[in-house]
Amino acid sequence: AQSVTQPDIHITVSEGASLELRCNYSYGATPYLFWYVQSPGQGLQLLLKYFSGDTLVQGIKGFEAEFKRSQSSFNLRKPSVHWSDAAEYFCAVGTINTGTASKLTFGTGTRLQVTL
Amino acid sequence: KAGVTQTPRYLIKTRGQQVTLSCSPISGHRSVSWYQQTPGQGLQFLFEYFSETQRNKGNFPGRFSGRQFSNSRSEMNVSTLELGDSALYLCASSLGSSALEAFFGQGTRLTVV
Repeated sequence: AQSVTQPDIHITVSEGASLELRCNYSYGATPYLFWYVQSPGQGLQLLLKYFSGDTLVQGIKGFEAEFKRSQSSFNLRKPSVHWSDAAEYFCAVGTINTGTASKLTFGTGTRLQVTL
Repeated sequence: KAGVTQTPRYLIKTRGQQVTLSCSPISGHRSVSWYQQTPGQGLQFLFEYFSETQRNKGNFPGRFSGRQFSNSRSEMNVSTLELGDSALYLCASSLGSSALEAFFGQGTRLTVV
């Protein structure tokens, strides 16, 4: 069965500093990988996705992520964090079962706090 | 283009009651998925519908059910509510037949007392 691990429950960074959020997945086939962000009381917003091809993917809000098959990782990065980036970040692996039945399996999330 | 709309946003129910939550997907999207989010269990997949057919179901008891209508709108129902059903219920819609690239609504916050 597929699984996603986000080892950091909570991270605090200063505004303007760089950010890296870790994500490791377990899945037997080629994974479809996603990063979502959730602000308090809100739904999930898709930041970026990896399906195939270039292992460095660009997303919205200046985020990027790199797929490393050898490490089963899909870490999220941002060169310079803004106070508005404070939120909870979820990594997810998408799996397709028989036919096209599919679902997302999420990690437990990393809460990002940004200090001014 | 309107996003995924979930109604109601907040709901308070008593143990033993039943509840129906509604989700209107983005126009043109035919796949709808439901997720439960709790502090203890995180985000868990409930079910996925495409063209009025349930294609995938998560590991939840039979008290949790859903359906999708011909206009792609979806409802989920929870019967005989338990305190542990208190959660944020998120609906997501996808354009294609694969539900992977999902766009989420703001959720319905259900509190069972």
